[in-house]
Parts: sequence; structure tokens; C-alpha cells
Amino acid sequence: DIQMTQSPSSLSASVGDRVTITCRASQSINRHLNWYQQKPGRAPKILIYGASSLQGGVPSRFSGSGSGTDFTLTISSLQPEDFATYYCQQSYSIPLTFGGGTKVEIK
Amino acid sequence: EVQLLESGGGLVQPGGSLRLSCAASGFTFSNYAMSWVRQAPEKGLEWVSGFSDSGGSTYYADSVKGRFTISRDDSKNTLYLQMNSLRVEDTAIYYCAKPGVAGVSWFDPWGQGTLVIVSS
Repeated sequence: DIQMTQSPSSLSASVGDRVTITCRASQSINRHLNWYQQKPGRAPKILIYGASSLQGGVPSRFSGSGSGTDFTLTISSLQPEDFATYYCQQSYSIPLTFGGGTKVEIK
Repeated sequence: EVQLLESGGGLVQPGGSLRLSCAASGFTFSNYAMSWVRQAPEKGLEWVSGFSDSGGSTYYADSVKGRFTISRDDSKNTLYLQMNSLRVEDTAIYYCAKPGVAGVSWFDPWGQGTLVIVSS
């Protein structure tokens, strides 16, 4: 199974900050890496698929990069509605696996 | 609009059984390799089970293999998860999720989830 490791597990940031979350796969997954946002009491929502493709309707302040084993989700200017938990997920092979999550909190 | 609506969750004793359903609408259900994903209280996401992109094969996480069975009725646009021999650690919100594209991929959208509590 491919293990997905996210870091940090949590972070505190202020509105307007640039935020970077990393995700590392235990083996190469090419660009089969996806990012989700989850708010309390809600289902996850896709932000980025294929490492860097922005899902329709997602603000352009979100971006993704990387390939192989190392990936990054960047929020260029954190907004109040971005405080949430973020998960990466590999869709390279079954079983599909998720990172442990990164909780973005208000500083 | 694509919609996924789960049902069937509830409180069950350890060793018991439960069947979850996910009613889908707004897309050609038979074309998609649907999955179940769960989230234990205050924990992360865990893929549980899904279909292959051809629909001919089913896959399971090791944690549920031999106890859970995924199935689908394309005539009713409904996905199922039969859960047997339930354990306390199966307590979670269970989401059904549609692949973003045909085949195994990211999930978009997810249903609202149904809560399963396994407790004596």
C-alpha cells in the first residue's frame, strides 16, 4: 500500500498569509495526487486533482504542484473561509490512500 | 446536479450487521466506479471499498476485507455497503463518493454521510 504523509499536521496562520502544506508518497505516484478541503460537519470537497489542476469553482488562490513522491498545496493569501482541514489522496493504485490531514487554524 | 444521498446508518452492537445505501442522481451512475470512504470521530479519511473502472471487480481495504461487501444496482442508481461482523473500530461517518472522471480517480462529489456507531 502507498503511504501518504502530510506535514504539518496543524498550523496557525493569519488572514492574508501564504500557507504551504506538503504531502509525501511512499513511492512514486506520478501526478496522481489530489487535495481536499473539509470543514467541520461537512463532507470533503475536491480542490486540486492531478497534482495541479484546479477544480471548477475553486478560488485561484489555491494551487498545487509536484510529481513523483513530493507534492505541495499552496494557499497564496489565506481567507477566513479557508480555515479547515486539508487532505491529500493518491489515486495511483488501490487501495486509495489519504494523508493524515492538516488542520489550518486562525492565529 | 449530481447528488448522492446515503442512508442506513445507526447504532449496532459489536458483531452485528448493517446495510448502507447511497442513492445517486444527476449523472449516468453505471459509468462510474463508485466508492465508500469513512471517517472515524475526530480522525482522518479512510477509503473502505470501491469498484474497478470496468465495474467487474471490487476492492476493499484490509481493515474490512471479508466483513464488508460493496454492491450496486444500476437500474436503481444505488450503491450499497453490506457490513457484517461489525467492530467498535468501524464506528465512523460513511460517505459514498463518485469519481471525478470515469475510472479510479479523485472523488467529486461526496454524499453528506451516514453515521454508524458500533457499541454495546
